[in-house]
Formats: sequence, structure tokens, C-alpha cells
Amino acid sequence: DVKVTQSSRYLVKRTGEKVFLECVQDMDHENMFWYRQDPGLGLRLIYFSYDVKMKEKGDIPEGYSVSREKKERFSLILESASTNQTSMYLCASSLRGGVGDSPLHFGNGTRLTVT
Amino acid sequence: GNSVTQMEGPVTLSEEAFLTINCTYTATGYPSLFWYVQYPGEGLQLLLKATKADDKGSNKGFEATYRKETTSFHLEKGSVQVSDSAVYFCALSDSKTGTASKLTFGTGTRLQVTL
Repeated sequence: DVKVTQSSRYLVKRTGEKVFLECVQDMDHENMFWYRQDPGLGLRLIYFSYDVKMKEKGDIPEGYSVSREKKERFSLILESASTNQTSMYLCASSLRGGVGDSPLHFGNGTRLTVT
Repeated sequence: GNSVTQMEGPVTLSEEAFLTINCTYTATGYPSLFWYVQYPGEGLQLLLKATKADDKGSNKGFEATYRKETTSFHLEKGSVQVSDSAVYFCALSDSKTGTASKLTFGTGTRLQVTL
């Protein structure tokens, strides 16, 4: 079974701090994704990566960056955390190819609170 | 751009009642359609999918039919159980292949099933 592990379940940070959210998958998936989930807004794509060192912006990349140095690990970075980045962050992975052929596998999420 | 519209929740049903959660979409091309489910405290997991018009996806007693003429993918179950209580997300993929196809999610519908 595919396992997508997010390093923290809950995180509390202060405004202006640099925040790292880590995600690791164990099934050799090429594609990895970061979403944020907010009530009434559903899931919105922040960034995704289809290969090591490759990244593409999603729908809401502002205020975020990502790093993919190894195939199994995809990090989300908040350069200077702000209160409007308080949210649930979900990492996901999938095999290469159309999403119709390979579903997304999600981690359990990191609930980030910025005070 | 692509978009997904789901009925607002919460939906509250008694056990063994019939369930319908409406989902309509706007997309160019020929997207694949999905329902994902999120149980309390967990990440999303794929419930069912349909990749072309008139396809019916089914799993765990849930069904949804890809209706291109009405751009809809409504989720149904004949007899719900308390264990079906969760948040349900409708989603569509863009039609790219060979790279990381992106999913566009609806806002989610919370289902609460009572005894």
C-alpha cells in the first residue's frame, strides 16, 4: 500500500518565521503535489513536481516555494509565514502519466497555525 | 478554466437512507472525473472514478455516472451507514498526459449519518 507521510500533524509558528513542511512517499511515484484545504474553498493546488528538481506553480503559489532534491521527498517552504497561511496542508503523490490512470495518494495532512 | 461545483452541506441522513450528492463541472476537452472521500483525521482517498462519457464508477456501494450532456457526476448510494460519515470531494483532471496532470476539486460536502 502506498504510504505518504507528512512529518508533522500539528504545527504552530509565529508570523515571519520560515516554515518547512516535509512529505515523503514510499512507492517511487514521479509526481508529487502540495494542496491547502480551507473550509468552503475545498483543496487548492499550491505547487507540484513531476520529477526530481522539477517544479510547477499551481493555482495559489504566492508566498510559497518548494524543493524536490530526491524522488521520494517534496518539501513546502513558507519563506515568511503570515496569518493567512493558517490552514491544513495536504501532500499527495501519483505515478507518471495522466491522473485518469493513476489516482492521487494523500498524506494525513499538517494543520499549520500561524500566530 | 476548469471548475467543479458541489452541493453545500452538511447533509444529514438516517442510516439506510438513500444518498445523492450533486456535482457539476466546467472543463475544456475530455476530463476524467473522480470522487474522493476524507474520513475524520485522515487524508483524502479515492472512492471512484470515470474516465469517459457514460462510464459508471462504483466502489463500496457508491456509484456515479459521467454525464457529458449535463456535465454532471452525481454520487449516489442506496443505503448509507454511520461509517459513511465523512467529507466527499468531487474532482476533475485536466486532459494532459505524460506530465503531472492536475486535479481541480470542489469545495466538499460533509455527510453525517445518524442511527
